[in-house]
Amino acid sequence: QLQLQESGPGLVKPSETLSLTCTVSGGSIINNNYYWGWVRQPPGKGLEWIGNIYYSGSTYYNPSLKSRVTISVDTSKKQFSLKLISVTAADTAVYYCARGFLTGCDYWGQGTLVTVSS
Amino acid sequence: QSALTQEASVSGTVGQKVTLSCTGNNNNIGTYAVGWYQQISHGAPKTVISENSLPSGIPDRFSASKSGTTASLTISGLQPEDEADYYCSTWDYSLSAVVFGGGTKLTVL
Repeated sequence: QLQLQESGPGLVKPSETLSLTCTVSGGSIINNNYYWGWVRQPPGKGLEWIGNIYYSGSTYYNPSLKSRVTISVDTSKKQFSLKLISVTAADTAVYYCARGFLTGCDYWGQGTLVTVSS
Repeated sequence: QSALTQEASVSGTVGQKVTLSCTGNNNNIGTYAVGWYQQISHGAPKTVISENSLPSGIPDRFSASKSGTTASLTISGLQPEDEADYYCSTWDYSLSAVVFGGGTKLTVL
């Protein structure tokens, strides 16, 4: 059974960089059929797509976040990562990593809460 | 404001059939498959429909359809454990982005 697990700091200071890693187990990260992505959910709000990466490294980003986001993949470690620069309180959210297709996700991590506060 | 429009809330009784809708346009739902996700009590989302198919372990009382630019998720034989928030998503080629609906809160009376 494929499993995804997010890891990273739960507290980030304003203007600093949010960094999260997703570790994939129970399956291969090298797969022609799937993308690997990040979705976030601010407290009390809906889901927001952040971006996707293909195992080869090609990426798609949410236009509203594109200037601040980088998603990368390390196939040797079966991990993919999210970096979001210049964070503000508006970036406080539960961050989910997921596997899926261009249209959406099929497997999700359990999520990790990241709070932006000094 | 979400690119995809969902009802804010829907309710039904145990055993009833309910349908949730997700409305977009020809840049998204009119062209691509739609995914549906169940989120219970703000836990992690669970995919109930992906690429027009039912993932393993999802009861077959869940089904999906699409007509033009509106996608629908139907739950036949509603159960108490189906009470959750439901989200839809797809690709939008004009935005070059995955877009989500704002979510529907399903209450089982």
